[in-house]
Amino acid sequence: GDSVTQMEGPVTLSEEAFLTINCTYTATGYPSLFWYVQYPGEGLQLLLKATKADDKGSNKGFEATYRKETTSFHLEKGSVQVSDSAVYFCALSVVRDDKIIFGKGTRLHILP
Amino acid sequence: NAGVTQTPKFQVLKTGQSMTLQCAQDMNHNSMYWYRQDPGMGLRLIYYSASEGTTDKGEVPNGYNVSRLNKREFSLRLESAAPSQTSVYFCASSEASGQPDTQYFGPGTRLTVL
Repeated sequence: GDSVTQMEGPVTLSEEAFLTINCTYTATGYPSLFWYVQYPGEGLQLLLKATKADDKGSNKGFEATYRKETTSFHLEKGSVQVSDSAVYFCALSVVRDDKIIFGKGTRLHILP
Repeated sequence: NAGVTQTPKFQVLKTGQSMTLQCAQDMNHNSMYWYRQDPGMGLRLIYYSASEGTTDKGEVPNGYNVSRLNKREFSLRLESAAPSQTSVYFCASSEASGQPDTQYFGPGTRLTVL
């Protein structure tokens, strides 16, 4: 079945460090791919998305490129801030389905 | 524009009690969802509704029932609460049925069952 695997956390970085959170997927067909972010005490909100191969989603300095050949959608940011501390979820959705499949989430701590 | 709202924010129940979690969206979305979030488990889909009048089971439906009251509202009912249902519950909605689309989440309900 369709699934998403993302790196386990927590990930702890210093402010201004480079961030990568790995995400790989398994899907039959051609999924859309998402990164959602959950700040403490809040619900999830969409961070970025990509709907076809080689698309790059970007928002708030974060980027992820849809790589069909490696079935990956890694999240990157060049210089993280303390305010980026949150839980990040990689997710996929396929055309035939109304559902989004989420990874287990990666908790990110940024130290000042 | 409130987006997705959930009530209550917090709830404590005793084993065997019942309760209904309420969810409403004001974005005229077709699809609505209920998830639970547990440490180390990510989000797991309980039930969803692709359109008004339809509901379907998700990954973990046992112990829950849902009602799509109208296009705006989608409630989740626990008939006889168990400690295993202690969790944070999120409602979400999306615009389109039958195609991948962004989901918009409510702020969550934190439920403790003693």
